[in-house]
Amino acid sequence: DTGVSQDPRHKITKRGQNVTFRCDPISEHNRLYWYRQTLGQGPEFLTYFQNEAQLEKSRLLSDRFSAERPKGSFSTLEIQRTEQGDSAMYLCASSATGGRSNQPQHFGDGTRLSIL
Amino acid sequence: GESVGLHLPTLSVQEGDNSIINCAYSNSASDYFIWYKQESGKGPQFIIDIRSNMDKRQGQRVTVLLNKTVKHLSLQIAATQPGDSAVYFCAEKGYGQNFVFGPGTRLSVLP
Repeated sequence: DTGVSQDPRHKITKRGQNVTFRCDPISEHNRLYWYRQTLGQGPEFLTYFQNEAQLEKSRLLSDRFSAERPKGSFSTLEIQRTEQGDSAMYLCASSATGGRSNQPQHFGDGTRLSIL
Repeated sequence: GESVGLHLPTLSVQEGDNSIINCAYSNSASDYFIWYKQESGKGPQFIIDIRSNMDKRQGQRVTVLLNKTVKHLSLQIAATQPGDSAVYFCAEKGYGQNFVFGPGTRLSVLP
């Protein structure tokens, strides 16, 4: 399967703990995105990488959140000192660059985070 | 600010009928739009996209219409099937690579 892969699929942790999620994009895609989705809502943009460079960050991305894409391939999203409000589905998407034209984002199946 | 919304949170259609899902967007500068389908427990699945220099685009059983005058987007699904039951999102590309999603419409296909 050459789609976007996310790991783990589910994470349950106690408030105050740190968590890290991994995303493996479609191999030829150089753009990678992180979104957060809560129940009954659409995904909310968190951050975007082109290759290894983090080019955009949402105001939703507090200081407790950090994302990396060290070699321009897989990415990690870390949440430090988790809070109840961090409970959500964390989605990763990737896309190709299409020169001057836009390219669609393709999503993984997400990591569902539950904070106890 | 930028926002994308949907007129109806739920839509029920008979199997075999056509479905129309609507979306309103607020940023007249948006130049690219995508429709996604999301099934329970899965990530959004790309259905079809349209650029702002077009007003219609067709795929397999799906058609997207874009009306820039009233900032409205619609997704038409022909001959709706049980497997089409899902939540449908429109997404609007604003500034940079920031995509804004609407809250979604749940489509239920009745036998």
